[in-house]
Amino acid sequence: DAGITQSPRYKITETGRQVTLMCHQTWSHSYMFWYRQDLGHGLRLIYYSAAADITDKGEVPDGYVVSRSKTENFPLTLESATRSQTSVYFCASSEGGSNQPQHFGDGTRLSIL
Amino acid sequence: DAKTTQPTSMDCAEGRAANLPCNHSTISGNEYVYWYRQIHSQGPQYIIHGLKNNETNEMASLIITEDRKSSTLILPHATLRDTAVYYCIVRSQSRNQFYFGTGTSLTVIP
Repeated sequence: DAGITQSPRYKITETGRQVTLMCHQTWSHSYMFWYRQDLGHGLRLIYYSAAADITDKGEVPDGYVVSRSKTENFPLTLESATRSQTSVYFCASSEGGSNQPQHFGDGTRLSIL
Repeated sequence: DAKTTQPTSMDCAEGRAANLPCNHSTISGNEYVYWYRQIHSQGPQYIIHGLKNNETNEMASLIITEDRKSSTLILPHATLRDTAVYYCIVRSQSRNQFYFGTGTSLTVIP
């Protein structure tokens, strides 16, 4: 049972470049989420998706784009990376219903130079 | 979502029970209490959650006070691998986001 996997685990890029972080889950969960984790801020929600082709903004969506053409995949794109987007990014998924726990991947550590 | 208050850090001897407290005095009737932990450089790991009743699973027990204003996560026999940051989260049924605070850094001592 692979669960939820993120790739790459580590990424270094330059400001202005486009970068895409991948997230794949094998549970057929309807909900998927992207968070970023920074010192002093804890985890903050960027975007989430309730189902294929349905996405919505979270707490800090600016500078990010998401898509969900298939239930199992939820890529996060930084269209023009900035240094302030240096962070650790976590993807999560859950079954429908707000009383269901979210299950997290191991994260992508992104550094923007 | 109700705010939670946890101690910044705690120590526990290996093999003993670890009792991690959480205050959530402004919790509403439809808000669940969730516990997660995060081991360094890994993603948050779900432990347990509950609404009113005490809950137990293979990892831990969750004790919620009758007035629901506080709860305690119990790891019955702590091991070195339980060293992590533990987050207590209160989540309403209408919210998709989990608000992670600063949590409690638990160190299990040999």
